[in-house]
Order: sequence, then C-alpha cells, then structure tokens
Amino acid sequence: ELKVEQNPLFLSMQEGKNYTIYCNYSTTSDRLYWYRQDPGKSLESLFVLLSNGAVKQEGRLMASLDTKARLSTLHITAAVHDLSATYFCAVDAGKSTFGDGTTLTVKP
Amino acid sequence: DTAVSQTPKYLVTQMGNDKSIKCEQNLGHDTMYWYKQDSKKFLKIMFSYNNKELIINETVPNRFSPKSPDKAHLNLHINSLELGDSAVYFCASSQEGGTSGSTFNEQFFGPGTRLTVL
Repeated sequence: ELKVEQNPLFLSMQEGKNYTIYCNYSTTSDRLYWYRQDPGKSLESLFVLLSNGAVKQEGRLMASLDTKARLSTLHITAAVHDLSATYFCAVDAGKSTFGDGTTLTVKP
Repeated sequence: DTAVSQTPKYLVTQMGNDKSIKCEQNLGHDTMYWYKQDSKKFLKIMFSYNNKELIINETVPNRFSPKSPDKAHLNLHINSLELGDSAVYFCASSQEGGTSGSTFNEQFFGPGTRLTVL
C-alpha cells in the first residue's frame, strides 16, 4: 500500500524567511501533486509534477520532484502572511494518496 | 461558473438518519471521487467512478453508497448515520491525459459538505 509522508506537519514561520516542506512516498510513481487548502475552504491545485527532475514555480512557491528518491519538496521563499494555509502532496500510483498535510502559519 | 459543486454545504442530522450529498461537475471530466476529511484534516479517498463505473472502493462501511447517474454527477448516500461519520466530505473530478484544461488526473475539488451527526 502506498504511503505518503509529509513533514513537518506544522510549521510556524516569520515573514520573510525561507523554508521547505518535504513529501516522501513509498512506491514508484512519476505523478505528484501539491494542493493548498485555506481554513474552512476546499482544496485547490498548485502544482502537477510528472517526471523526474520536474520543477514548477508560482510566485514564492517552488515544487520539485525526485522520483528516484521518491521525494518532492515545496520550497517557500520570503514567506508572507497570505501563504498561511495547509499544503497537501498527493501521489498517483493508480489512485491518488494524500499526505497528512502541512499546516503553515506565517507570522509578521 | 462553478466547476465542481456540491449540495448541501452543511448538513446537521441525528444519529440513525439517512442522508444524501449531491455532486456535479461541468468540466467534462471522466472521473469523479468522494473524499472524507476528518477533524485533523486527514483526507481519505472513499470512492472513485470513471464514466459511471466504480473503479475505487476503499474500505468504507457499506452504509455509504455512491451512485453515478451520468459522468457529470456523483452522489453519496449514507444510511444509519453514526457520530463517527461527522466530517467534511469533498467531491472531486479529474481527467486523464491532459484534456479539458487539466493535466493528468489533477483533481478539482468541490466546496465540501460539512456533515454533523448529533
């Protein structure tokens, strides 16, 4: 059974700082997704990573995929309060399995 | 235009009742899903349908019964509701192969239905 582990599960950052969220998974897959969920809201797609070495960037967020290490990272650059949310990675190996989510709080 | 819609948004009911949640997508996607998100925000897939056929049926009590009348609709009926069924239920849709404006099973989620069982 595919296992997807995110860490950290909770992250409190100061504005302006950088940090990385990690997503490890247990079986071969070259499809990985990152989603964002604001409190009380639905999930929205951030990034779709479909091959080894894929890198996608949107604003202060950058996601990458290493299929050999079975690892994806979501890097946050110069965090701002608006990035406060829960971030999920999901791996597709026949069906999508979600990580437990990383709740990010960015403080002034 | 709403891409994936669910009704109702909130559902408060007594233990033992039967209730349904409806989902519709206007994205032209072939695959639809039901997820349960508990109070700790853990998200777990329950069912998936592709072109009205059940393709994923996770270990879910048989009190939960999905029904897909056509590929744009996926409903969830729950019998004999229990306290542990309280959660937010999300419907989602996706399309294999990068058509309909999405990429390789990227999922589009509905707004969620918050179910509270008293």
